[in-house]
Amino acid sequence: ETGVTQTPRHLVMGMTNKKSLKCEQHLGHNAMYWYKQSAKKPLELMFVYNFKEQTENNSVPSRFSPECPNSSHLFLHLHTLQPEDSALYLCASSQPGYFHEQFFGPGTRLTVL
Amino acid sequence: AQSVTQLGSHVSVSEGALVLLRCNYSSSVPPYLFWYVQYPNQGLQLLLKYTSAATLVKGINGFEAEFKKSETSFHLTKPSAHMSDAAEYFCAVSDFAGYALNFGKGTSLLVTP
Repeated sequence: ETGVTQTPRHLVMGMTNKKSLKCEQHLGHNAMYWYKQSAKKPLELMFVYNFKEQTENNSVPSRFSPECPNSSHLFLHLHTLQPEDSALYLCASSQPGYFHEQFFGPGTRLTVL
Repeated sequence: AQSVTQLGSHVSVSEGALVLLRCNYSSSVPPYLFWYVQYPNQGLQLLLKYTSAATLVKGINGFEAEFKKSETSFHLTKPSAHMSDAAEYFCAVSDFAGYALNFGKGTSLLVTP
């Protein structure tokens, strides 16, 4: 595997379910990000991790819980979601620092019923 | 905070015609600017970036962008559109406070035969 991978690519869940999204980067980066992409809305930054430490939580509801066990892996744990949480969830990685470009995974298409 | 505005949510060009996608930025410090492309059901791919070196930046797939400080613009151009250029294009600026990217709302490019 190369670049940034995300699993699953598609997920359908009920509002009472608990599920997790997984992201893995094979680029040797030390910063990882979760973004939410909804229809008709700009990309929304959710969380930022630098060297496994969370450095930004962009006022995300607690029903979204990130986990970064090491610099290569990032998870997004989901529980009691709402239908409006249906979106494409994108993971990205980069070297730390604001002048480095981010590399994106293909995303997980989440549908909450 | 740094931000970008993309003018025109939809742009339609004929195959072989000039592509011009507009992006204006707002930043109190010299910005780092990026253009990304997103094909259907895929993540974002970097086209090019400006990091205060040459004002004319060349990217992949024949795209280029010119940084104009006086106009606070970073418009994306391609001399001759190809059918495969049909996609969503995002302009982004580095957020110096959060080590993340602030994205515009995106411009959907349609290429007609």
